[in-house]
Amino acid sequence: EPEVTQTPSHQVTQMGQEVILRCVPISNHLYFYWYRQILGQKVEFLVSFYNNEISEKSEIFDDQFSVERPDGSNFTLKIRSTKLEDSAMYFCASSEGPRGVGTQYFGPGTRLTVL
Amino acid sequence: RKEVEQDPGPFNVPEGATVAFNCTYSNSASQSFFWYRQDCRKEPKLLMSVYSSGNEDGRFTAQLNRASQYISLLIRDSKLSDSATYLCVVNRRRTGKLIFGQGTTLQVKP
Repeated sequence: EPEVTQTPSHQVTQMGQEVILRCVPISNHLYFYWYRQILGQKVEFLVSFYNNEISEKSEIFDDQFSVERPDGSNFTLKIRSTKLEDSAMYFCASSEGPRGVGTQYFGPGTRLTVL
Repeated sequence: RKEVEQDPGPFNVPEGATVAFNCTYSNSASQSFFWYRQDCRKEPKLLMSVYSSGNEDGRFTAQLNRASQYISLLIRDSKLSDSATYLCVVNRRRTGKLIFGQGTTLQVKP
């Protein structure tokens, strides 16, 4: 069964450093998403991406965040200057297309720890 | 007011019990509704979509009441493997943004 993959599974970084989280969505999917979940809290939407541009972003997704689809398979989330409060699990998701936009499949997540 | 509200639980039930979870959403523009399941420190996994007509998948039954902005999930004959957090999720179809509730924790005991 096709699945979303994410690397690394765990990333530890110092405050102020840049991190790039990587995702490989399901191959025929057209819509891509990033969510995050701070420990003990709910899953929160960060950004959606379609046709090589951002469709929607949340208030959390400020100028420190960016997303890119550098090639036909990878989808990345960059945090330019990490803060302590960026520590969370980051989930990538993808969905098929207009009819299946709500049926999103999640990757296993990257646990980001900012020290 | 939270956009999606759930009773966090935990619900502790014996194997074989029937358990029901409820959820309310505040934005009437919400168009699609789902229950996801999340095991500890794992990714959310789609359990089932929810339709106004009600839908069933084995031991799981989901119901949507658009007038009351209320969603429910019923689990019959609970198994130990049903122990997880159940996430009520709504979607505004235009961009696919999913809005999650806090989740309801279920612990099924032998």
